[in-house]
Amino acid sequence: GAVVSQHPSRVICKSGTSVKIECRSLDFQATTMFWYRQFPKKSLMLMATSNEGSKATYEQGVEKDKFLINHASLTLSTLTVTSAHPEDSSFYICSAFGTSRYEQYFGPGTRLTVT
Amino acid sequence: KNEVEQSPQNLTAQEGEFITINCSYSVGISALHWLQQHPGGGIVSLFMLSSGKKKHGRLIATINIQEKHSSLHITASHPRDSAVYICAVRLDDKIIFGKGTRLHILP
Repeated sequence: GAVVSQHPSRVICKSGTSVKIECRSLDFQATTMFWYRQFPKKSLMLMATSNEGSKATYEQGVEKDKFLINHASLTLSTLTVTSAHPEDSSFYICSAFGTSRYEQYFGPGTRLTVT
Repeated sequence: KNEVEQSPQNLTAQEGEFITINCSYSVGISALHWLQQHPGGGIVSLFMLSSGKKKHGRLIATINIQEKHSSLHITASHPRDSAVYICAVRLDDKIIFGKGTRLHILP
């Protein structure tokens, strides 16, 4: 089946630095990708919808200048956490629509720790 | 009220037991996903279904659209099945996640 990968799987960065997380569709073209964040003991929450070649659509309460999303190709979307703070420490997951929008595939996630 | 409710929240069972995790939702959906999250956090997609039943190895997922309910079953459970199981429903282009069920299988 279709595979979505994320890189890195784990990252530790210092407060104030920026970190980029990649989401790739490995064997299909994904015109739409989604980024989610998992808060401790809470459900995964949608952060933004990323469409190839256009600006991402952010959910209410998500700072677009803080979480920069770029979807420059049909197989790659990136999430950059800028000027990271310890409260940005979380588990970030992407998903992508498959060839038909009926199918949706999830990446394995990236654990970000900001020290 | 959450749109996706999972039960139980936590489940501890002995190796070999038959496990059932339930997911109820309150909205009309186009598809439902079952995800497995390992202790390290990694997500694995188990099933995507919109009707009926699917089976993969020891895992079985069922969905009843009329009753807005899905179940995930694990037969002959094993300690390596210990994980958080997350139900997620697809509503148009949006995914709504349940809070997950933490399963612990004792050897």
